[in-house]
Amino acid sequence: GDSVTQMEGPVTLSEEAFLTINCTYTATGYPSLFWYVQYPGEGLQLLLKATKADDKGSNKGFEATYRKETTSFHLEKGSVQVSDSAVYFCALSEDKLVFGAGTILRVKS
Amino acid sequence: GAVVSQHPSWVICKSGTSVKIECRSLDFQATTMFWYRQFPKQSLMLMATSNEGSKATYEQGVEKDKFLINHASLTLSTLTVTSAHPEDSSFYICSARKQSSGNTIYFGEGSWLTVV
Repeated sequence: GDSVTQMEGPVTLSEEAFLTINCTYTATGYPSLFWYVQYPGEGLQLLLKATKADDKGSNKGFEATYRKETTSFHLEKGSVQVSDSAVYFCALSEDKLVFGAGTILRVKS
Repeated sequence: GAVVSQHPSWVICKSGTSVKIECRSLDFQATTMFWYRQFPKQSLMLMATSNEGSKATYEQGVEKDKFLINHASLTLSTLTVTSAHPEDSSFYICSARKQSSGNTIYFGEGSWLTVV
C-alpha cells in the first residue's frame, strides 16, 4: 500500500539556519503530495502541496518539489525562525491521505 | 483558505458515557470527510472515511460499533465515541476534502478527549 517515510527528528537548528526535512513515498499511482504543520496544541495546517511531477509547492518561505524519479518531496527553507518550531508531516493522497510519522523541528534563538 | 471547524475543542467525560464530536466544513461542501486519531508525539492514524449519505468506511482495527460516524449532510460529519474508556483519551482530528480545490484536504482544529 501507499506509504510515506520522513527523516526522524527532532531536528534542532539555530535561527537563520537552512532547513531540509527529507520525505520519500511509495505509491501505486500518481498521488498528490503535501506538507502539513502542527504547532503545539493545535490541529494540522496545510503548508504546501504539489499535484504532479516537477511541481514546486511553496508557502511562508518553505518549498518542496515533487520528484517522481526519486519519489521524494523534501521540505526546505532557507532561513528558519523560532516561530517555525513545530511538527511537520509529509503526506500523500491518491484516495485517502496517508501521513508520515512527523518530524519535530526546534529552532533556537 | 477553506475552513473546517470541530466542536468541542476539549471534552472530559466519565467512563461508560458517550461523547459526540462534530466536524463542519464552513465554506464548502464536502462529500468526503476523514477522522483521525493522534496519540501524543505520534502521527495521525486514519480511523475512517465518512461519506455523505452512506456508511463510513473504517480502517482495519477500528471498532465501528465503538466509533460511530454519521455524515448526514454535505457540511457535517459526527464522531461518537460510545461507552468511552480512559484508553480512548486522545486527540481526534477531522478533515474534509474540497473537490473544487483540486481535492485538497483541510483539517479541523482537533478535539481533545479525556475519559476519566
